[in-house]
Amino acid sequence: ELKVEQNPLFLSMQEGKNYTIYCNYSTTSDRLYWYRQDPGKSLESLFVLLSNGAVKQEGRLMASLDTKARLSTLHITAAVHDLSATYFCAVDLRYNTDKLIFGTGTRLQVFP
Amino acid sequence: DAGVIQSPRHEVTEMGQEVTLRCKPISGHNSLFWYRQTMMRGLELLIYFNNNVPIDDSGMPEDRFSAKMPNASFSTLKIQPSEPRDSAVYFCASSFLGGATYEQYFGPGTRLTVT
Repeated sequence: ELKVEQNPLFLSMQEGKNYTIYCNYSTTSDRLYWYRQDPGKSLESLFVLLSNGAVKQEGRLMASLDTKARLSTLHITAAVHDLSATYFCAVDLRYNTDKLIFGTGTRLQVFP
Repeated sequence: DAGVIQSPRHEVTEMGQEVTLRCKPISGHNSLFWYRQTMMRGLELLIYFNNNVPIDDSGMPEDRFSAKMPNASFSTLKIQPSEPRDSAVYFCASSFLGGATYEQYFGPGTRLTVT
């Protein structure tokens, strides 16, 4: 059974600090997605990583993909309160199905 | 494009009543997904369609749940009879199978409360 695991599940960090969220998955895949969900809102696509070594950056967030290690990271640089949200990674099985397998999510809280 | 449209946004109903949730996917997308999100179980895929055909309904919790997609621009998720444990946020998402990615676009969700 395919598993997508994120850690940590909950992250409380101070403004200005750096941190990394990890996403591990248990099967071969070369495409990975990161989503953001604000409290009470829907999921919004952040990054689409389409190959081994892919790196995408948007503002204070940077995502990378290592398909050999079956690992993606979401790095937060100099956190600000507006980044407080839940972040999900999802894996694309591509050759078997077009559905995405979502991780459990990482709830990030940034405090002053 | 208006994005994925869901209605109603909020639904409060009594146990035993029938509930119908509606979704309009993004025009041109050919895959549609229904998810349920709760604090306890997280985000669960209930069913998905491709070209209006149900492909995988293994996530549908029980026979009380049914979903249809009569055409490319409309889908419904029905719960009959509803129970308090069905209280959750239900999301619809769509994507284009055949594109460069399977990126899914989510609707705003329907918050269902069953009393």
